[in-house]
Amino acid sequence: QLQLQESGPGLVKPSETLSLTCSVSGGSISRSNSYWGWIRQPPGKGLEWIGNMFYTGSTYYNPSLKSRVTISVDMSKNQFSLKLTSMTAADTAVYFCAKPVGVHDFDYWGQGILVTVSS
Amino acid sequence: QSVLTQPPSASGTPGQRVIISCSGSNSNIGSNTVSWYQQLPGTAPKVLIYSNNQRPSGVPDRFSGSKSGTSASLAISGLQSEDEADYYCATWDDSLNVVIFGGGTKLTVL
Repeated sequence: QLQLQESGPGLVKPSETLSLTCSVSGGSISRSNSYWGWIRQPPGKGLEWIGNMFYTGSTYYNPSLKSRVTISVDMSKNQFSLKLTSMTAADTAVYFCAKPVGVHDFDYWGQGILVTVSS
Repeated sequence: QSVLTQPPSASGTPGQRVIISCSGSNSNIGSNTVSWYQQLPGTAPKVLIYSNNQRPSGVPDRFSGSKSGTSASLAISGLQSEDEADYYCATWDDSLNVVIFGGGTKLTVL
């Protein structure tokens, strides 16, 4: 059974860069035709897709965040990561890592990590 | 405001059938498959339906999905108290090149 677990800081200062890691267990992150993604949810609001990474390393980002986002993979650790630069209060959210069956049908999710942007 | 329009709320009594709609356009629902998620308070979303009408193993057959043109629907039959949650639809948008989620529907079991 595939399991995903987010890790990283719960508090980030404005203008700083957020770095989160998603550790994958129960399966290889490099398995064929697999996408891996990040989604976030501001408190009390809906879901926002941040981006997906194909197992080959190709990335697809939400245009609204594209200039600030980088998703990368560390196959040796079976992890993938999210970097989001120039954080503001509007980036305060629960950040989920997830794996879709295809592109948008996410069948495995991490538990989520609350990231607060505050000085 | 999401590109995919869902009613903000829905309700029903135990045993009833409830339908939640998701309205889009030709560039999203009209040309791509739809997935549906259930999110209980304080938890990660759980996929109920993918590829318009496919249920992952373990999802009760009380949940069903359908798509017609630029709209999709999630039907929940035999409503139970544990179905009280937020429900989201999702798809890909060919014009925006983005995965889009509906704004969510809060289901209350009366």
